[in-house]
Amino acid sequence: QQPVQSPQAVILREGEDAVINCSSSKALYSVHWYRQKHGEAPVFLMILLKGGEQKGHEKISASFNEKKQQSSLYLTASQLSYSGTYFCGTEGRGSTLGRLYFGRGTQLTVWP
Amino acid sequence: GAVVSQHPSRVICKSGTSVKIECRSLDFQATTMFWYRQFPKQSLMLMATSNEGSKATYEQGVEKDKFLINHASLTLSTLTVTSAHPEDSSFYICSASLDSGDTQYFGPGTRLTVL
Repeated sequence: QQPVQSPQAVILREGEDAVINCSSSKALYSVHWYRQKHGEAPVFLMILLKGGEQKGHEKISASFNEKKQQSSLYLTASQLSYSGTYFCGTEGRGSTLGRLYFGRGTQLTVWP
Repeated sequence: GAVVSQHPSRVICKSGTSVKIECRSLDFQATTMFWYRQFPKQSLMLMATSNEGSKATYEQGVEKDKFLINHASLTLSTLTVTSAHPEDSSFYICSASLDSGDTQYFGPGTRLTVL
């Protein structure tokens, strides 16, 4: 059930871009992206519901390829505040509809 | 945005005792609440899904008699770790959503340490 995220970790300088990938072996209904800072609750970034959907949130955007069962999160012109661990949560079809299964996370560190 | 609280934030208990963790949705009514467990630098592992007024649905491998979940109202769900052992030490985090499949809003988590 657990999706696979890559890379495991990314180190960036302020202003650089990054891409985080999430793939599942199961057919997906939706993909949810969260960011968690150390010792804090995960914060919702966005949800993608339709294959081919792309969404943007400030300089953070994401895409969802339903056929390939993959989603990617794009961070452009990164800021220090982007540091944290990014998780994708996938919602499958059928009996698991409504439940999220999270990847192991991608630790993003942005340096000045 | 939607706010979810958890209480307590930290708890230390002796082996064999039971611990109750509360999860509250403060500004919305949550039909569905979820309980996760997170090990250091690891993913959020779904333990169970609870819907208000009905029995929780547990994930494979999660002992329902050990992790008792009650979702008595639209704003409160509780997780009771019964007869806790050191291997139950972990970060427990809940989330709440308006309805199944909607955005999940996470609580700040509870750090449980069993001595």
